[in-house]
Amino acid sequence: GAGVSQSPSNKVTEKGKDVELRCDPISGHTALYWYRQSLGQGLEFLIYFQGNSAPDKSGLPSDRFSAERTGGSVSTLTIQRTQQEDSAVYLCASSQQAQGTEAFFGQGTRLTVV
Amino acid sequence: AQRVTQPEKLLSVFKGAPVELKCNYSYSGSPELFWYVQYSRQRLQLLLRHISRESIKGFTADLNKGETSFHLKKPFAQEEDSAMYYCALYPPGSSNTGKLIFGQGTTLQVKP
Repeated sequence: GAGVSQSPSNKVTEKGKDVELRCDPISGHTALYWYRQSLGQGLEFLIYFQGNSAPDKSGLPSDRFSAERTGGSVSTLTIQRTQQEDSAVYLCASSQQAQGTEAFFGQGTRLTVV
Repeated sequence: AQRVTQPEKLLSVFKGAPVELKCNYSYSGSPELFWYVQYSRQRLQLLLRHISRESIKGFTADLNKGETSFHLKKPFAQEEDSAMYYCALYPPGSSNTGKLIFGQGTTLQVKP
């Protein structure tokens, strides 16, 4: 595709439910990133992938959060047993290689936990 | 802790005034530094990168290794510069290869 695509654009879920957020990176981009953008908190690093492996998962806030990437392409961020504090915009980005290159961002998924 | 710091959450200036958005980092060595911008209702996008030494939309940023800073500057602000600005870097060292880290962001508001 022309750019990084994320789905859904908006998600409202009830507290305690599981959600899956999807990211389609730019074709050929080996690095993929997940961030969380909250009001007043800036851009919080969650996890990044190099190919299908995740060298750094240190940003995942709790064990309720997990992510995977298959075929070096699509990635899914899963949040189990959602809490109200999980409400935020989740951004995905991809870049051609891991180090030093421009990251291209998706439009984000706005998650609201009620 | 290793981090990127943008001390101002909000910077408000009048059109035509100079702008300086501050960014400090706490890594040793030579990280690769960037400024990203997010205009209203648009995606986060690259504004400029240190390695290119470029000027985009009149903005420049100089790396000061002594002060570990990478402040973004523009001599005359325009209303269309109003946006959220993020400083970002790839930390030096193989243990962090590929991990792109952002500061907290600064909202620039340019008043007419």
